[in-house]
Amino acid sequence: NAGVTQTPKFRILKIGQSMTLQCAQDMNHNYMYWYRQDPGMGLKLIYYSVGAGITDKGEVPNGYNVSRSTTEDFPLRLELAAPSQTSVYFCASRNGQNYQPQHFGDGTRLSIL
Amino acid sequence: DAKTTQPNSMESNEEEPVHLPCNHSTISGTDYIHWYRQLPSQGPEYVIHGLTSNVNNRMASLAIAEDRKSSTLILHRATLRDAAVYYCILRREGGGSNYKLTFGKGTLLTVNP
Repeated sequence: NAGVTQTPKFRILKIGQSMTLQCAQDMNHNYMYWYRQDPGMGLKLIYYSVGAGITDKGEVPNGYNVSRSTTEDFPLRLELAAPSQTSVYFCASRNGQNYQPQHFGDGTRLSIL
Repeated sequence: DAKTTQPNSMESNEEEPVHLPCNHSTISGTDYIHWYRQLPSQGPEYVIHGLTSNVNNRMASLAIAEDRKSSTLILHRATLRDAAVYYCILRREGGGSNYKLTFGKGTLLTVNP
């Protein structure tokens, strides 16, 4: 069972570089989410999507962009990496029915130096 | 979103029951109580959820106060694998919900052998 797959697992970027964090799910889930988690803190929502072609901002969207061209994939893009974006990034998905849980990937650990 | 309050940390011994409390005095009638846990270096995983009645599943039990202003997650026999951060989250279900999760800092559970 693949579930939610995030790549890469680790990455080091230089300030000002750009990169895309990949997230793919094989459960045919409509809803997908991107969170970031800073040390010792809970997760904060960056962006989410309720279906292909539909995205919306979460709590901390600045400095990030997303797209959702297919049901399976929900990439997160950092255009100009800043040290404040050093964090662990988690992707999650769920189906559209009530009471269903979110399924999380194992995370991408990103350091910006 | 209604807030939850949890102790920062708790400690238990292996094979003993653990009661993890959560206060949510501003809960609304449409809020469900969800519990997730996050093992070290992993993404969060769903544990249990409920509305008014106590709930049981293979992982844990959820006891909900009659006035719904507090709840308790019960691990019947803690194992070393249960050492994790436990998050108590309120989420509105039904029409118009995007099923977002708002994470606090959670309770860090330490299990002693």
